[in-house]
Amino acid sequence: GEDVEQSLFLSVREGDSSVINCTYTDSSSTYLYWYKQEPGAGLQLLTYIFSNMDMKQDQRLTVLLNKKDKHLSLRIADTQTGDSAIYFCAEKGGGSQGNLIFGKGTKLSVKP
Amino acid sequence: DAGITQSPRYKITETGRQVTLMCHQTWSHSYMFWYRQDLGHGLRLIYYSAAADITDKGEVPDGYVVSRSKTENFPLTLESATRSQTSVYFCASSETGNKGQFFGPGTRLTVL
Repeated sequence: GEDVEQSLFLSVREGDSSVINCTYTDSSSTYLYWYKQEPGAGLQLLTYIFSNMDMKQDQRLTVLLNKKDKHLSLRIADTQTGDSAIYFCAEKGGGSQGNLIFGKGTKLSVKP
Repeated sequence: DAGITQSPRYKITETGRQVTLMCHQTWSHSYMFWYRQDLGHGLRLIYYSAAADITDKGEVPDGYVVSRSKTENFPLTLESATRSQTSVYFCASSETGNKGQFFGPGTRLTVL
């Protein structure tokens, strides 16, 4: 079945780059997403990438997609303390539901 | 303000009681979703709706009922709450299901 895997924790120093990795299993996924969740809040859509793209850049965020290896990464340049949050990778389910299959989230801690 | 809202934000109830969680969106999005978020499980889809009067089950629908008489509202009812339904519930909406879903702030439900 469909599954999305992420490492659970990442710790970086302020000003460094953060790279959060994700692997997925459904090769028919058309869209892949990154969400950010701050404590006590809902999920905020950061960016998404269509499966025919290799890379997408949006200000400090860079998404890389390796479709052959089913690997997705999110790079945050010049990481700030305000970037501390849980980051979720998600793929669009293969059925007609339109729902998303989420990873369990990576908790990013940014040390000053 | 436009967006997606959920009410109540916090709810404590007792086993066996009926509880309804409300979700309202102002974008006229066709798709709406209910997820629950639990430690160790990430987000799991409970129910979804592709349009008014069209609903279908997700991964974990047992013990829940939904309705969608109007495009903008998608209430979730726990007919007889159980302790295992203690969770954070998120509602989301999407125009097409491709460019990501937009999440509400969540309802933290505790069943005693």
